[in-house]
Amino acid sequence: LAKTTQPISMDSYEGQEVNITCSHNNIATNDYITWYQQFPSQGPRFIIQGYKTKVTNEVASLFIPADRKSSTLSLPRVSLSDTAVYYCLVGPSYNQGGKLIFGQGTELSVKP
Amino acid sequence: GAVVSQHPSWVICKSGTSVKIECRSLDFQATTMFWYRQFPKQSLMLMATSNEGSKATYEQGVEKDKFLINHASLTLSTLTVTSAHPEDSSFYICSALRADRGLVEQFFGPGTRLTVL
Repeated sequence: LAKTTQPISMDSYEGQEVNITCSHNNIATNDYITWYQQFPSQGPRFIIQGYKTKVTNEVASLFIPADRKSSTLSLPRVSLSDTAVYYCLVGPSYNQGGKLIFGQGTELSVKP
Repeated sequence: GAVVSQHPSWVICKSGTSVKIECRSLDFQATTMFWYRQFPKQSLMLMATSNEGSKATYEQGVEKDKFLINHASLTLSTLTVTSAHPEDSSFYICSALRADRGLVEQFFGPGTRLTVL
């Protein structure tokens, strides 16, 4: 499974847009890019998944360049409740049921 | 979304005792469940894949005799930490796969905090 690299931590303020970039230079042709959110003492929660270009849902957007060696999770207008750890995973599609290998994650801190 | 529960949510035990953690899929059947362990300020580490009716598959470095996994029904997998020691203190998280009309999704439980004294 492709290894991912993310910033260890990020700080932001309420109302700002937050972009978290993940590097995955060894991504395979069949790999998808999936982001999870985890609050303290809770299990991870699926945010968004993409294969290429741009994906948007009610929570976030995911931007993937043509070479797919990186991806950027964009959280619009964050609030204090978005303070969490965000994990970028590369591997089988979320809906293929493969085992997930979590990387280091990015600890996002949103301040008032 | 589908609901996965864990019991207990937290447990404190003495060193040398065994602790059983349950993972249940409440509104769907799950032939496959996963067990993860997470130490403070660290990422989730996959421990094993639990398959209903068969032996679990353990990741490299995880002692199968210490972390006993039983997946006896389509809605329940259990993880037993045998002869627990303080270094086993961690946050244990399970996930369950739901297959529905060709789509397979993975849902996580809320986790179980184990503290070994």
